[in-house]
Amino acid sequence: DTEVTQTPKHLVMGMTNKKSLKCEQHMGHRAMYWYKQKAKKPPELMFVYSYEKLSINESVPSRFSPECPNSSLLNLHLHALQPEDSALYLCASSQDIGRGGTGELFFGEGSRLTVL
Amino acid sequence: GEDVEQSLFLSVREGDSSVINCTYTDSSSTYLYWYKQEPGAGLQLLTYIFSNMDMKQDQRLTVLLNKKDKHLSLRIADTQTGDSAIYFCAYDNYGQNFVFGPGTRLSVLP
Repeated sequence: DTEVTQTPKHLVMGMTNKKSLKCEQHMGHRAMYWYKQKAKKPPELMFVYSYEKLSINESVPSRFSPECPNSSLLNLHLHALQPEDSALYLCASSQDIGRGGTGELFFGEGSRLTVL
Repeated sequence: GEDVEQSLFLSVREGDSSVINCTYTDSSSTYLYWYKQEPGAGLQLLTYIFSNMDMKQDQRLTVLLNKKDKHLSLRIADTQTGDSAIYFCAYDNYGQNFVFGPGTRLSVLP
């Protein structure tokens, strides 16, 4: 299994809603990531979890709240978002180069979020 | 800095070769990567090259790395319409912090 699975594929929410994006991988990877991608731009790193601990938070507003319940799952909780938060949210995972991997990121298909 | 540059657009005719270029300012990464993104989809790893190599060939794909000039290229032989996508070069900057180029949009004309 070399897949990263993200749900939902599409999400429309109002600025007062609370919703969550979910990500799952069963490749035994110990690093998991959330990226935000706006149209015609490269992905921008939001958060990195390494061994289920938050290791990087790229100054993301608190209306985005990540959670890593176990080594296979990664959630992104959304609350009081703004229209400018509309984007494709990508989850990825990777295996450390030091543990025999080649370090590449494996991406899910993304969750396209629209904030009204 | 972590600047990565790519030309934003490339158009080729079906059957021709495509060459997508990437320059970077600083990388201690063990590997450098090329990712492909089709419309509405996530990023798919196309190929990677170990930083101590200068060339890697994988079927229709050839990656060239010039470490001295900090230049990476991806050549796609016999380009097909299914190759139309955005191509990102990337490297891992000091672990877990991937740096992506802006992406090159490849259009393949029939």
